Amino acid sequence: EIVLTQSPGTLSLSPGERATLSCRASQSLSSNYLAWYSQKPGQAPRLLIYGASRRATGIPDRFSGSGSGTDFTLSVSRLEPEDFAVYYCHQYGTLYTFGQGTKLEIK
Amino acid sequence: QVQLVEAGGGVVQPGGSLRLSCAASGFTFSGYAMHWVRQAPGKGPEWMAVISFDGSNEYYGESVKGRFTISRDNSKNRLYLQMNSLRAEDTAVYYCARSLNSGYYSPHDYWGQGTLVTVSS
Repeated sequence: EIVLTQSPGTLSLSPGERATLSCRASQSLSSNYLAWYSQKPGQAPRLLIYGASRRATGIPDRFSGSGSGTDFTLSVSRLEPEDFAVYYCHQYGTLYTFGQGTKLEIK
Repeated sequence: QVQLVEAGGGVVQPGGSLRLSCAASGFTFSGYAMHWVRQAPGKGPEWMAVISFDGSNEYYGESVKGRFTISRDNSKNRLYLQMNSLRAEDTAVYYCARSLNSGYYSPHDYWGQGTLVTVSS
């Protein structure tokens, strides 16, 4: 099973700042089959990024993904109030696993 | 618009069974692989099972293999999860989710609102 480790566990930032979230895989991901989701309390996860860097439909361009192999990054260029949530990375190249999450909270 | 609506959750005793369903609408259900994903309170999502677009293939996570069965009825646009030999650690919100495309190498682009399963005596 591919294990995804996210860091940091919690990130405290202010609106307007830039957020950088990391996801490390226990083995190289084939074809960069890595996605990112956000989740707010009481809601289902929402797909943001897939294929490591492709934005899902309707996702604003302040969200960007990068990386390859075992190290991946989600960046949010200018935080809006609605961006504060828990973020999960997800690999879908060898069955499917999720990271444990990074909580992005308002400072 | 794409809609996925789960039903069938509730409280069940350890060792018991439960069958979840997911009603799909707003897209060609028979053209997509479908998944069940669960999330225990305060934890990250955990993938459970996937079924191919035509129901001919299924794959399961290790924690539920041999106990849970995923199935679908494309004539009714419905996805199912039969859960047997339930344990306390199966307590979670269960989501059905659609693959971004018809294949397996695809993230989940649409999710239902989830249904809560509580395993407790």
